[in-house]
Amino acid sequence: NAGVTQTPKFQVLKTGQSMTLQCAQDMNHEYMSWYRQDPGMGLRLIHYSVGAGITDQGEVPNGYNVSRSTTEDFPLRLLSAAPSQTSVYFCASRVSDAGELFFGEGSRLTVL
Amino acid sequence: GQQLNQSPQSMFIQEGEDVSMNCTSSSIFNTWLWYKQDPGEGPVLLIALYKAGELTSNGRLTAQFGITRKDSFLNISASIPSDVGIYFCAGPQAGGTSYGKLTFGQGTILTVHP
Repeated sequence: NAGVTQTPKFQVLKTGQSMTLQCAQDMNHEYMSWYRQDPGMGLRLIHYSVGAGITDQGEVPNGYNVSRSTTEDFPLRLLSAAPSQTSVYFCASRVSDAGELFFGEGSRLTVL
Repeated sequence: GQQLNQSPQSMFIQEGEDVSMNCTSSSIFNTWLWYKQDPGEGPVLLIALYKAGELTSNGRLTAQFGITRKDSFLNISASIPSDVGIYFCAGPQAGGTSYGKLTFGQGTILTVHP
């Protein structure tokens, strides 16, 4: 009963480095999304996908790339990390347009 | 874009006290959602509201969908230490019904002293 699994849970990067945050769900959900959480700002949508092969931008997409080659996986790529990307990142999925959104446990990223 | 304003930003209460928090928007929402985030975890859905004026309970939690459709309220009765966490209101962007593109409030941080 894994649900939404994110890896890694913690990561420290230097400015300019690249990395990928992994997200996998085993609930056969069509919709997946990435949010970032910053103090006093709630959760802001970065990118989302309504199904394999389909992605779109959310509220704060700059500096991030995504792809959706399978229903299960939705990785988030930082091509050149910046200190402003220091945050906690959450992946979430849902089964349908009106279904409940299930969140992973989060990935805490620090960019020095 | 749409914004949701939550208040208060933080609350420090004694165990057993009741808690009230609210969420307001300048835009109309067709659905209001309340999430709780435990420390070190992702948010979990507590209550979903679908109609203006609707009052829904989940154990000690009660939430209301404001009649103007621009606000919502969450009340917790007889608080206990495990109520500690961050409470978020959320709603679908552009007044739609999709849970996917949710707008979240800034969150209310609740601390409960035993």
